Amino acid sequence: NAGVTQTPKFQVLKTGQSMTLQCAQDMNHEYMSWYRQDPGMGLRLIHYSVGAGITDQGEVPNGYNVSRSTTEDFPLRLLSAAPSQTSVYFCASSPLGTGVSRDQPQHFGDGTRLSIL
Amino acid sequence: GENVEQHPSTLSVQEGDSAVIKCTYSDSASNYFPWYKQELGKRPQLIIDIRSNVGEKKDQRIAVTLNKTAKHFSLHITETQPEDSAVYFCAASRGGGSYIPTFGRGTSLIVHP
Repeated sequence: NAGVTQTPKFQVLKTGQSMTLQCAQDMNHEYMSWYRQDPGMGLRLIHYSVGAGITDQGEVPNGYNVSRSTTEDFPLRLLSAAPSQTSVYFCASSPLGTGVSRDQPQHFGDGTRLSIL
Repeated sequence: GENVEQHPSTLSVQEGDSAVIKCTYSDSASNYFPWYKQELGKRPQLIIDIRSNVGEKKDQRIAVTLNKTAKHFSLHITETQPEDSAVYFCAASRGGGSYIPTFGRGTSLIVHP
């Protein structure tokens, strides 16, 4: 298994441009999410999905859109890039457990380092 | 929603010493507490986790303790080695359909040879 694959690894954008960060997982995990990581701020949840066709907002959703048309893919779209969106973006997936083990560990991708000029 | 506080933000130890990182959480319904290690430029990776029906869990040099009454949990690393140098994140989540982990802000552990 490749696990969680993110593309691209690095990207530089100009203010106002749009782009899509790709995330794919081959573990048949139901739960997928996007985080941004900024110095001293930890991992902040942008959007998440508990299955195909279902998405919801996290802590910092403004300026980002997501969709989940398949179990495998969960792209993150920046609508109009702003310098405040300069960050490292991580996609993660996890299976949905059952009973007392409902919550399972997150499997992270390698991240996308995004700079907005 | 859940709030997770993590301390300290930076921890510097000598090789061979023990290191302890502490986290507190606010939601009494949280029942799953994982710890992740992130080396410089790498992805976060799970190192150990604990569920609310267990008070302590060990895996070689690392251990996690949970005090549900006080709503805090801690990561203990014994006999630290330079390769333990990394950023460590705690997280808390609740089952019942939300499946949303809340992360602490991270602790940068530096182990001096």
